Amino acid sequence: AQSVTQPDIHITVSEGASLELRCNYSYGATPYLFWYVQSPGQGLQLLLKYFSGDTLVQGIKGFEAEFKRSQSSFNLRKPSVHWSDAAEYFCAVGTNTNAGKSTFGDGTTLTVKP
Amino acid sequence: KAGVTQTPRYLIKTRGQQVTLSCSPISGHRSVSWYQQTPGQGLQFLFEYFSETQRNKGNFPGRFSGRQFSNSRSEMNVSTLELGDSALYLCASSPPTAGADTQYFGPGTRLTVL
Repeated sequence: AQSVTQPDIHITVSEGASLELRCNYSYGATPYLFWYVQSPGQGLQLLLKYFSGDTLVQGIKGFEAEFKRSQSSFNLRKPSVHWSDAAEYFCAVGTNTNAGKSTFGDGTTLTVKP
Repeated sequence: KAGVTQTPRYLIKTRGQQVTLSCSPISGHRSVSWYQQTPGQGLQFLFEYFSETQRNKGNFPGRFSGRQFSNSRSEMNVSTLELGDSALYLCASSPPTAGADTQYFGPGTRLTVL
């Protein structure tokens, strides 16, 4: 079975500073990896995904993530954070054999200081 | 294209009652997944339907059930509600591919059990 760990429950960064949110996964085969963002009371919006190919993937809102198989990681980054980025971020892993079922991390809440 | 829609958005029920939640996927999507989100347990997979058949199931009691109609719309039902069923219930749809694919989430139904 697959699992996802997001080590940081809460991160605070200043507006304009860089951001990195950590995600580690456990899965025996090639994973399908996702990052989602959720604003309070809302559903999840997909930021980016990795299925195969280039290990650095670009997403919406200026986010990118890098897949590192050797470290079982898929960290999310943004060079300059905006106040509107304050939200909860979820990393998820899916598999080809369990289509339609993703396993989510516990989420990281991002606070942006002015 | 219209996104995933869920109705109702908010629901208040009392213990012992039953509830039915509805999800309309993005046009052309045949896979619909349901998740329960609570502060204590995070995002947990309930089940997934593809072409009217349950394809995957999470670890929830039999009080939680679902179905999918020929137009891909899906409903989930919770019978004999318990206080712990209070949660945000999220529905997600995926394009018609064989393997794991991107899930597009609806805004959720907030269920409160009193």
